[in-house]
Amino acid sequence: DAKTTQPPSMDCAEGRAANLPCNHSTISGNEYVYWYRQIHSQGPQYIIHGLKNNETNEMASLIITEDRKSSTLILPHATLRDTAVYYCIVRVVGFQKLVFGTGTRLLVSP
Amino acid sequence: GAVVSQHPSRVICKSGTSVKIECRSLDFQATTMFWYRQFPKKSLMLMATSNEGSKATYEQGVEKDKFLINHASLTLSTLTVTSAHPEDSSFYICSASQGLENTGELFFGEGSRLTVL
Repeated sequence: DAKTTQPPSMDCAEGRAANLPCNHSTISGNEYVYWYRQIHSQGPQYIIHGLKNNETNEMASLIITEDRKSSTLILPHATLRDTAVYYCIVRVVGFQKLVFGTGTRLLVSP
Repeated sequence: GAVVSQHPSRVICKSGTSVKIECRSLDFQATTMFWYRQFPKKSLMLMATSNEGSKATYEQGVEKDKFLINHASLTLSTLTVTSAHPEDSSFYICSASQGLENTGELFFGEGSRLTVL
């Protein structure tokens, strides 16, 4: 699996958009970009994934650059409950396991 | 989304004893399950992959005789920490896959915190 690079920590004010970047410059054509988050002392929670098109669901939006070498997870209106470690992972289609990097610790403050 | 449940959520045991952690997929059949461990303020480290009815595949550096994994049915995998020692104290997390060939997400359990005294 390609490796990803994320900033170790970010801060965001409650109600504002949180934009979490991820670099995956060695991504292959058959690798998807996944985002998970882990709230303290809980198991990881799936957020969103995509291949090359931008994706949106009820939790977040995923913006993938045209060359696929980086992506941004957007939480449009961050709440205190969004405080968590966010992991960006690339994964080969049909290759099931997820290998976690160090992630970004997002702190949402009032 | 699908639900994966782990039991127990917390366990404290004496050094030298064995501890079993269960991982169940509650509303789907999981052909493959994964076990992770996590130390405080660290990321998840993949320990092993288990497929129903076959032996688990362990990641490099993980002792298979220390961490016994059994995946006897499509809804249950167990991790047994044998002869536990304080350095085995950790947060253990399982995840399950429906075995899709496409981009199916993995579903994670709530985690089990093991403390070895």
